[in-house]
Amino acid sequence: RKEVEQDPGPFNVPEGATVAFNCTYSNSASQSFFWYRQDCRKEPKLLMSVYSSGNEDGRFTAQLNRASQYISLLIRDSKLSDSATYLCVVSRMNRDDKIIFGKGTRLHILP
Amino acid sequence: GAVVSQHPSRVICKSGTSVKIECRSLDFQATTMFWYRQFPKQSLMLMATSNEGSKATYEQGVEKDKFLINHASLTLSTLTVTSAHPEDSSFYICSAAERGRQAAFFGQGTRLTVV
Repeated sequence: RKEVEQDPGPFNVPEGATVAFNCTYSNSASQSFFWYRQDCRKEPKLLMSVYSSGNEDGRFTAQLNRASQYISLLIRDSKLSDSATYLCVVSRMNRDDKIIFGKGTRLHILP
Repeated sequence: GAVVSQHPSRVICKSGTSVKIECRSLDFQATTMFWYRQFPKQSLMLMATSNEGSKATYEQGVEKDKFLINHASLTLSTLTVTSAHPEDSSFYICSAAERGRQAAFFGQGTRLTVV
């Protein structure tokens, strides 16, 4: 079983809709959690951190459920520019210097 | 802050030659650097993890004698693809992380084409 699992998609969503991605992780010792975004032929970029209390940044909301070892990302009022691959990331830098990336979920926003 | 610079961004080399890729953290100390490879339309594949001053830890299936990683300082890691072959053509990306800061930051990637 992979340590971080995501639905690869693609998710084809009309512009303006709300879309949610989920991610599960298997190592309960994981310390920090993030969502990254990768555009085609570019490097991944940090989108936002994920906390148990939730984290909202504009149209984006991320949530962590430690008990279920589950991370989510919600995008409201989706824009064409949101089309990308979204990577779920689990970090244990302070424990064993590991950062584990999920395979990513591809999102296509349709005009 | 948290800028990682990777060079070169694009390189074309002849089969059998070696190519060195540099990854620098510009405004933080990269205690750990990660090297990835990504083929078109596929996900990132971790090749190796290196801690400053230590030998790199390679993922299963990655040849350490072919992909030489050096992480001699807290701001620089290099990946050398030795005796490159056309099947080594790929997008190579580094990322750097600092103990105490949980996120990793990526270089811009190097598109390697072996002809």
